[in-house]
Amino acid sequence: QKEVEQDPGPLSVPEGAIVSLNCTYSNSAFQYFMWYRQYSRKGPELLMYTYSSGNKEDGRFTAQVDKSSKYISLFIRDSQPSDSATYLCAPSEGSSNAGGTSYGKLTFGQGTILTVHP
Amino acid sequence: DTGVSQDPRHKITKRGQNVTFRCDPISEHNRLYWYRQTLGQGPEFLTYFQNEAQLEKSRLLSDRFSAERPKGSFSTLEIQRTEQGDSAMYLCASSWGHGANVLTFGAGSRLTVL
Repeated sequence: QKEVEQDPGPLSVPEGAIVSLNCTYSNSAFQYFMWYRQYSRKGPELLMYTYSSGNKEDGRFTAQVDKSSKYISLFIRDSQPSDSATYLCAPSEGSSNAGGTSYGKLTFGQGTILTVHP
Repeated sequence: DTGVSQDPRHKITKRGQNVTFRCDPISEHNRLYWYRQTLGQGPEFLTYFQNEAQLEKSRLLSDRFSAERPKGSFSTLEIQRTEQGDSAMYLCASSWGHGANVLTFGAGSRLTVL
C-alpha cells in the first residue's frame, strides 16, 4: 500500500461546478499538508497548505484535513477552465531538528487530472 | 529572481550514455531537492541538500546516480550508464528555513533514454 493514495481520475466538470479532490494517507507523523497544481509539461506549483487538522480557505480554494481519519481534501468553488490541471496532494512530516532527515521531504499522491470545460 | 531554473529542459540519449542535469535554485534558498516523476505518477523524492551537505538520499537513488551541490549554490544530478527505466522528468526544488516545507519547483528536465 502506498503511503499516500489519490484517485487519479480523470475528473471532468462543467465550468462553475464545485470540485472535490481527495487523498488518504497512512503515516501518522504527517503534519503539513500541501496541495500542488501541475500544468502539462510544467513543474508543480504550490496552491496552499495546512498544518495539522482543520480547514483553510484561499479564494475559491478550501483545503481540509482530518487527521483522525487520515483524509485530505481540496475543494474548488466556481471552477474555471484555467483550473484544468493535475492536482497533487503532498503531506510532509514537517520540520525536525537541524539536519533531521524528514525535513522538507514531501510524499506526493499520484495526482488527479481535472478538466473544466466551458 | 526568476525562480528555480533547470537545464536542459529535454535530453534524449542512448542507453549506456551518461547525462547531467543542472539546477539553479532561488538564490536565498538554502535547501535544494531532487525529485523524479514518471508519466501518470506524482513526484518521488530522490535527495536533498542543506547548503552543500547532502543530508538524505532515497533508496531510489542507485549507485549510478550522483548529486552534488558545490558551494551550496547550483546543483547537478548525474546519471551514469543510463537505462530505459531512467526515462522520467527530473524536478529540482528549493526552499528556505524552517516551518512548512514550502518547496518551489523548477520546470523539470525531461530525460528520454532510447
